[in-house]
Amino acid sequence: QLQLQESGPGLVKPSETLSLTCTVSGDSVTTNTYYWAWIRQPPGRGLEWIGSSHYSGITYYNSSLKSRVIISIDTSKNQFSLKLSSVTAADTARYYCARTPLTVVADYWGQGTLVTVSS
Amino acid sequence: QSVLTQPPSVSAAPGQRVSISCSGSSSDIGTNYVSWYQILPGTAPKLLIYENNKRPSGIPDRFYGSKSGTSATLGIAGLQTGDEANYYCGTWDSTVMGVIFGGGTKLTVL
Repeated sequence: QLQLQESGPGLVKPSETLSLTCTVSGDSVTTNTYYWAWIRQPPGRGLEWIGSSHYSGITYYNSSLKSRVIISIDTSKNQFSLKLSSVTAADTARYYCARTPLTVVADYWGQGTLVTVSS
Repeated sequence: QSVLTQPPSVSAAPGQRVSISCSGSSSDIGTNYVSWYQILPGTAPKLLIYENNKRPSGIPDRFYGSKSGTSATLGIAGLQTGDEANYYCGTWDSTVMGVIFGGGTKLTVL
């Protein structure tokens, strides 16, 4: 059974870099028909797609975050990660990792991890 | 990144049927498949509908989806109190080359 689990600090200081990892079990991040995505939901607000990456290196980012985001895949560990630089309070959100088939926004999601940006 | 348009809230009585609309444009819904998600308080999003009208295994047929032109609709029949949640539509936008979501619709089962 596919499982995704986010991990990383729950508190990040303003101007620093938010780093999260998603560990995938029950599937391989090198499966050709899937992208691997990060999606977030600020408190009391809607879903916001951050970006999606394929193990081949093809990556798409939300244009509003593109200058600050890097999504990478570690095939040796079956993980993918998110780095979001120069964070502000507006980046406070629950961050989800998810599997993205080619015709589905996301089918399997992690439980999400709350990241608060505060000094 | 543009946002799909959903009504902020809908409500209906138990046992009744409700529809949630999701409006977009030719470059998103008009061209690509739509997915629908249910978010219950304190839980991760659950995929209800994919490829406009298909249900994943385990999703009851009370949930159904359709698409026409640049709009999509999620229907829920035989409403239950457990259906109270926030519902989101999402799709790919071929112009910005990214995923976009609707603003979400809060369903209240009266």
